Amino acid sequence: SQQGEEDPQALSIQEGENATMNCSYKTSINNLQWYRQNSGRGLVHLILIRSNEREKHSGRLRVTLDTSKKSSSLLITASRAADTASYFCATDGRAAGNKLTFGGGTRVLVKP
Amino acid sequence: GAVVSQHPSWVICKSGTSVKIECRSLDFQATTMFWYRQFPKQSLMLMATSNEGSKATYEQGVEKDKFLINHASLTLSTLTVTSAHPEDSSFYICSARLTGLYGELFFGEGSRLTVL
Repeated sequence: SQQGEEDPQALSIQEGENATMNCSYKTSINNLQWYRQNSGRGLVHLILIRSNEREKHSGRLRVTLDTSKKSSSLLITASRAADTASYFCATDGRAAGNKLTFGGGTRVLVKP
Repeated sequence: GAVVSQHPSWVICKSGTSVKIECRSLDFQATTMFWYRQFPKQSLMLMATSNEGSKATYEQGVEKDKFLINHASLTLSTLTVTSAHPEDSSFYICSARLTGLYGELFFGEGSRLTVL
């Protein structure tokens, strides 16, 4: 089964609005990572947050991690049409055999 | 950031033929590479972990005789889909870990396989 489950599965917003997506996982982790995938392309690493961190920023991205709830969120502020993509969370940890396990992804559509 | 190159980016083949996909780390050495498979509008499913100089570790349900993995050098891993059938049509993506056990993964651009 998927270690990470994402919510919502799809999100449609207007340019300039914020986009928030959530990721829940089941077992203990070493870190949680967020990736972006444009249609038909490979994945691009966005941000890594370690299990002892609670919040991390990178440009217009803000990631939070709540290990007590086994959940993480990715916030994209002031979205742009170019942010249209699928976003995946992935967990990394000994419980998963030190392999990166991906969630189902959130498809984000930013309308101009 | 580190670059992982995957080739070919797309391939069309006849049923019954074998197809080889290459994954190269261009500017770093990768002792471990990962092969994923992705169906349309779905997430990535880990197929196997490729270890340089040793046998690959396959995930449950992945046929090792069907998907041959060779990691002959620190910069190259290959995935061969043997005797391909239409159900093998998919997007195959490789990745390599930069450093350490929990380091960032860098992904290739993926290879789209269509089996006729």
